[in-house]
Amino acid sequence: DTAVSQTPKYLVTQMGNDKSIKCEQNLGHDTMYWYKQDSKKFLKIMFSYNNKELIINETVPNRFSPKSPDKAHLNLHINSLELGDSAVYFCASSHGSDSPLHFGNGTRLTVT
Amino acid sequence: KQEVTQIPAALSVPEGENLVLNCSFTDSAIYNLQWFRQDPGKGLTSLLLIQSSQREQTSGRLNASLDKSSGRSTLYIAASQPGDSATYLCAVNGGGADGLTFGKGTHLIIQP
Repeated sequence: DTAVSQTPKYLVTQMGNDKSIKCEQNLGHDTMYWYKQDSKKFLKIMFSYNNKELIINETVPNRFSPKSPDKAHLNLHINSLELGDSAVYFCASSHGSDSPLHFGNGTRLTVT
Repeated sequence: KQEVTQIPAALSVPEGENLVLNCSFTDSAIYNLQWFRQDPGKGLTSLLLIQSSQREQTSGRLNASLDKSSGRSTLYIAASQPGDSATYLCAVNGGGADGLTFGKGTHLIIQP
């Protein structure tokens, strides 16, 4: 029973394309996140979202947009992909900021 | 802006040794601090979460301490085992839009 699941695990695409990464959590958490891990393994938050508000890290380009069809899902849409978008993207969830984060296994995005 | 530093960047020790991983952060105004492990090609697994009002947390052979005033945390691993080999990440939660701020991790190898 995977708590936080992401699909696909690997995504290879060309520059300029639009792609989506799906995330689902079955933990009943109210807050979901997207993190980016770059080639140097450095993790940085992109978005946090609960049913009240979306918080966007100011460094994230507006080509990236999270979409939440319901409380258990937070999908990541990326428009006009660039080479620099290549990274591993992690979805996570928690019961608000005082609780541990639970991470998915990541999606390795390669833009060619 | 919060910065998290982990020392050492890499550590290799024989099986059975006790070891300490260090984490320091620049802004002591935090809600909590969390230690994770990351295995190759996998997501992050939460190990311990210490709230800002706490001094330490223990789980099995792991003990994490927090000295908020000095901006430091340590992760103590007792009687290390080869299965402990992974990258250990420290992350502080300052609340708000920044979410968790991660260190770059300590890559730990336990030699059988």
